Parts: sequence; structure tokens; C-alpha cells
Amino acid sequence: DTAVSQTPKYLVTQMGNDKSIKCEQNLGHDTMYWYKQDSKKFLKIMFSYNNKELIINETVPNRFSPKSPDKAHLNLHINSLELGDSAVYFCASSRYVDRALGEQYFGPGTRLTVT
Amino acid sequence: GQQVMQIPQYQHVQEGEDFTTYCNSSTTLSNIQWYKQRPGGHPVFLIQLVKSGEVKKQKRLTFQFGEAKKNSSLHITATQTTDVGTYFCAGRNTGTASKLTFGTGTRLQVTL
Repeated sequence: DTAVSQTPKYLVTQMGNDKSIKCEQNLGHDTMYWYKQDSKKFLKIMFSYNNKELIINETVPNRFSPKSPDKAHLNLHINSLELGDSAVYFCASSRYVDRALGEQYFGPGTRLTVT
Repeated sequence: GQQVMQIPQYQHVQEGEDFTTYCNSSTTLSNIQWYKQRPGGHPVFLIQLVKSGEVKKQKRLTFQFGEAKKNSSLHITATQTTDVGTYFCAGRNTGTASKLTFGTGTRLQVTL
């Protein structure tokens, strides 16, 4: 059973389009995240939700809008895609928000290519 | 903002050689985690260190958290080809509950 799943795995689209990436976790975790990994492999957090509430919102263009319909799902919608949005987007989840705990489980990633 | 740097950026070793990656934070951390990402894969949690000066071992892997809780290291003894991948440290600030800041990563290549 896949713990954290993402769809689609690959996404190729043109500049200016709008696209969504979906994430689901079946671990019963309360907290979910979106990360962006660029071509140099740097992993940067974008957003985090705890029990459907947005708790982390990094300096991300407002073309990116996360949505959490329930605590098992976290989707990412991107408007007006730009070349610089090309990257691998990882969804992750953790059981706790607490600072002492919270190993993160990552999904397989969505490779977004904007042409 | 908080920065977490790792050195080296890349290391190529022959199977059987040892490998160490170092992680340095610009701020004091409440804890540090280590992740491994295989080529084409996703980060996988390895371990978490919480206490100052803590040392933990997992088979051939030894993890250390510095006394000042601003640095950490991962040492692999007698590398194997299965150790290939990028190793990330990820630090959690003392003041921020849920945000992990990932290090820049060290890519390890192991050849026979």
C-alpha cells in the first residue's frame, strides 16, 4: 500500500497554463507539506497544512494555491505557469506538528516541465 | 533566514572506502533529521537526533549532533553501491514547530 501518493507523476505543459497536482496520504497523519526540488536538488518547503489549516506559507508566488479538502489530501494548483516553475514537487506528511517529533514521509514526486 | 549548508556537494568513492558529509546550520536547532534520496527517487527518513552531542548508529551509518546543536555529520563505513544517493540533513529551529529546513545535500557516488 502506498503511504503518500501523488498524481500525476509527470506533467508537461506550456507557459501560461494552469495545472493541479494531487496528493493523498493513508497514514492517518495530521500534517502535510509541499516541497519544491529544483534542478540543483535543493529542497524548499512551500506550504504546510495541519488538519486542514494552513500553518506554513513560505515566500511563494501567489500563483501557487494549496487546498486541503480533508487531512488526508493536499492539492497544489498553479496558475499561469512559468518556465521557472519547472521542478520536481514533493508532497510529504508527518504525524505530529510538535518540534520534537515528526519524521516526514515523502510521496514519489511530480516532475513538472514547463515549455 | 535560516540556512543549512552541507559539504561536500559531491563525493565519489570506491566501494569499501569511508564517506562523511557535514551539515552546518546558521542557527541553533531543536533537532536534526537525515534523509536519503536515491537517484530518481524521493527523500526517505533515516534518523532524528535531538540531544546535544548525541551519537546514533545504524549498521554502517553513524550520525552525530554537535554540542552546540548547530552542526551534524553522517559517516558511512565501508561504502557499498547501495549507498549511492543524495544525503540531506534537515534542521528544525528552536522557535518553529513544524518547519524543516533542508540542507543543500551531498551526492554520493560509489563505484566498484
